[in-house]
Amino acid sequence: DGGITQSPKYLFRKEGQNVTLSCEQNLNHDAMYWYRQDPGQGLRLIYYSQIVNDFQKGDIAEGYSVSREKKESFPLTVTSAQKNPTAFYLCASSWAWGSNQPQHFGDGTRLSIL
Amino acid sequence: AQSVTQLDSQVPVFEEAPVELRCNYSSSVSVYLFWYVQYPNQGLQLLLKYLSGSTLVESINGFEAEFNKSQTSFHLRKPSVHISDTAEYFCAVRRSNTGFQKLVFGTGTRLLVSP
Repeated sequence: DGGITQSPKYLFRKEGQNVTLSCEQNLNHDAMYWYRQDPGQGLRLIYYSQIVNDFQKGDIAEGYSVSREKKESFPLTVTSAQKNPTAFYLCASSWAWGSNQPQHFGDGTRLSIL
Repeated sequence: AQSVTQLDSQVPVFEEAPVELRCNYSSSVSVYLFWYVQYPNQGLQLLLKYLSGSTLVESINGFEAEFNKSQTSFHLRKPSVHISDTAEYFCAVRRSNTGFQKLVFGTGTRLLVSP
């Protein structure tokens, strides 16, 4: 079945450590997104990519980095510069062109600080 | 820029009762509207969407939403809820221009259905 796979499901970060969250899709979608979800704040866009080797900052990109070397993969690195990384992280994908296309979501990664 | 307001952070309701989850949006241009549902520790699933045409849209599990342009609203309703409808519901809006457009989410409404 086509879908989006996020791993790991749970992740723990030590102070000063960078961690990378994986996101893989087999839907052949052009666009991919990373969102951060905090209680009571809904989803906030971190980064998005419309095409391979290209990505743009979203609303809260500070302390995060991404790469898009393959169409199906869009890993997110939470750097030590992100001082409050504890959150639920969601990856999504969609067709890039045509704003009527819905986004499809993975099941998320919950990141906590040790 | 677009914005979405979901005024109710939590809506408690008894099983088999009707429910309405409110969503209002702000935009100076035409938009597409979406409702997503999120079950605990899972991602979001598309529930229904309004793109054009009939202002009343329905999902396969009994939910419906009505696009009201004059009131800039897209409220979600169900005439009789089940325990399994307990989840968080997000309203989202996107400009209807051609080309790439970001999706803007509301803060979500938690629906709590009790027996």
